[in-house]
Amino acid sequence: QVQLQESGPGLVKPSQTLSLTCTVSGGSISSGDYYWSWIRQPPGKGLEWIGYIYYSGSTYYNPSLKSRLTISLDTSKNQFSLKLSSVTAADTAVYYCARDDFYERFLDYWGQGTLVTVSS
Amino acid sequence: QSVLTQPPSASGTPGQRVTISCSGSSSNIGSNTVNWYQQLPGTAPKLLIYSNNQRPSWVPDRFSGSRSGTSASLAISGLQSEDEADYYCAAWDDSLDGYVFGTGTKVTVL
Repeated sequence: QVQLQESGPGLVKPSQTLSLTCTVSGGSISSGDYYWSWIRQPPGKGLEWIGYIYYSGSTYYNPSLKSRLTISLDTSKNQFSLKLSSVTAADTAVYYCARDDFYERFLDYWGQGTLVTVSS
Repeated sequence: QSVLTQPPSASGTPGQRVTISCSGSSSNIGSNTVNWYQQLPGTAPKLLIYSNNQRPSWVPDRFSGSRSGTSASLAISGLQSEDEADYYCAAWDDSLDGYVFGTGTKVTVL
């Protein structure tokens, strides 16, 4: 059974960089059958796709976040990571990582999510 | 930036059939497959329907999906109390060059 788990600081100051890691177990992020994605959800609001990375290292970002966003992967640790710079209160959200099927493009396994609050 | 429009709420009594619509455009639903996600209160979203009308093995056949033109719909038949949740449609958008989610629909079992 594939499991994903987000980790990282729950509080980030405005203008700083938000950094999160997703640890994958029960499957390899080096598999060419999947993309590895980040999604966020502001409190009380809907879902927003952030971006994804493929095992080759190629990335695809939400155009609205692209200038501040970096997604990377560490195959030795079976992890992928998110860095979002110059954060504001608008970046406060529950951040989810998820597995994205390469062929049919659906998110079939999700982490439990982690709340990141941007506040001084 | 939700470009897929859903009704904010839907409701029904136990055993009834409820349908949720998802309206998009030619750049998303009109040219790419639609997925549906269920989000129970306080939990992460869970895949419910993929590729317009396919159910993962863990999803009961009370749930079904369809797509026609630039719209899609999710039907829940034999509504049960455990179906109270938020439901989101999603699809790739060729114009935005990104994955877009619907605005979400809260289903209440009366």
